[in-house]
Amino acid sequence: ETGVTQSPTHLIKTRGQQVTLRCSSQSGHNTVSWYQQALGQGPQFIFQYYREEENGRGNFPPRFSGLQFPNYSSELNVNALELDDSALYLCASTFSGGEYNEQFFGPGTRLTVL
Amino acid sequence: AQSVSQHNHHVILSEAASLELGCNYSYGGTVNLFWYVQYPGQHLQLLLKYFSGDPLVKGIKGFEAEFIKSKFSFNLRKPSVQWSDTAEYFCAVNARAAGNKLTFGGGTRVLVKP
Repeated sequence: ETGVTQSPTHLIKTRGQQVTLRCSSQSGHNTVSWYQQALGQGPQFIFQYYREEENGRGNFPPRFSGLQFPNYSSELNVNALELDDSALYLCASTFSGGEYNEQFFGPGTRLTVL
Repeated sequence: AQSVSQHNHHVILSEAASLELGCNYSYGGTVNLFWYVQYPGQHLQLLLKYFSGDPLVKGIKGFEAEFIKSKFSFNLRKPSVQWSDTAEYFCAVNARAAGNKLTFGGGTRVLVKP
């Protein structure tokens, strides 16, 4: 257990729908990153939030968006779902304050798009 | 942009055999290097990390990795595996200029037969 929690654990949606995934960061952490892990692949960086602002983005379209709240928890929103969005979505939290610090991963939300 | 490649997608071993998983990255700048493990049904956990100093790093559960800068490699080793080492292993790179972003390899699924 890392102290990073995600909800829901599983989710089934249909194409074109919108989804919101949630992440609570570990106590003392101020930065949250989101990753997409498609079946049989390694996690891919979606974006990172620091002090409630997006602070780095991977190669994902604008229909992937996020929020970070004052308590450092975060949401990942995906609009206009496509079949290829089916994946495990991982949240990782860390403390940003200079040097790189270890990221702690949550258990993930498995999204299935039908 | 950085990329990470892991040479083996699947490895099957017997208990007590030695394990070596290859990892190469492409990036011209300074990097931090990691190996993560994902046990069945569990979240990603950090096995070991290299930031600087001795290129041979030791991690948890008897794992070690060697950073060879000239080869852009960070191979993972364990002299004698156990059945409980059955898991998926991911090599990851953080380019120091890219904040907290991690770039993962595709993973190697390791099955240790009792």
